[in-house]
Amino acid sequence: DGGITQSPKYLFRKEGQNVTLSCEQNLNHDAMYWYRQDPGQGLRLIYYSQIVNDFQKGDIAEGYSVSREKKESFPLTVTSAQKNPTAFYLCASSANRQGFGAFFGQGTRLTVV
Amino acid sequence: GENVEQHPSTLSVQEGDSAVIKCTYSDSASNYFPWYKQELGKGPQLIIDIRSNVGEKKDQRIAVTLNKTAKHFSLHITETQPEDSAVYFCAASITGGFKTIFGAGTRLFVKA
Repeated sequence: DGGITQSPKYLFRKEGQNVTLSCEQNLNHDAMYWYRQDPGQGLRLIYYSQIVNDFQKGDIAEGYSVSREKKESFPLTVTSAQKNPTAFYLCASSANRQGFGAFFGQGTRLTVV
Repeated sequence: GENVEQHPSTLSVQEGDSAVIKCTYSDSASNYFPWYKQELGKGPQLIIDIRSNVGEKKDQRIAVTLNKTAKHFSLHITETQPEDSAVYFCAASITGGFKTIFGAGTRLFVKA
């Protein structure tokens, strides 16, 4: 079945540590995105990538980094510079480079302990 | 920049009744409006969308309407069922842009 797989589902991090969230898609989509979701709020765009080896900052990129070495993979690193990293992180992809009709993964819940 | 407001934040209906969720957007250049359903602990799922050249779109029990002049769009769910209980997000975006702006979400409870 085609889809987007995020791993792990739950992740715990100690303060000062970097962690990497995995996102893989087998939908052959060009564009991929990372969103952050906080309780009671909508989705905020962290980074997006339109094509392999290219990515742009979203609205809340500070403290995060990404790479896009393969079409199917778009990992997100939450660095120690992110002051409030505890959140639900969602990866998405879309076939149309204009961002229409995005498909989301099941999310990774990151908790700083 | 674009701003999307969504109301209500919580909606409780009796099974079989209709539910309506409303959104407004600020950027008149927005021309694509998707709606997502998010169940607890899962990622959002696209359930219906509408483009600015269309005023209404239906898919079985759900429909979306768009008023470009007023910059309003709404989600209508008829004959609600307990499995419709979830958080619903509206969103707006512009052709050629990657910034899809999401509303804050509506938590829908359907009481059996």
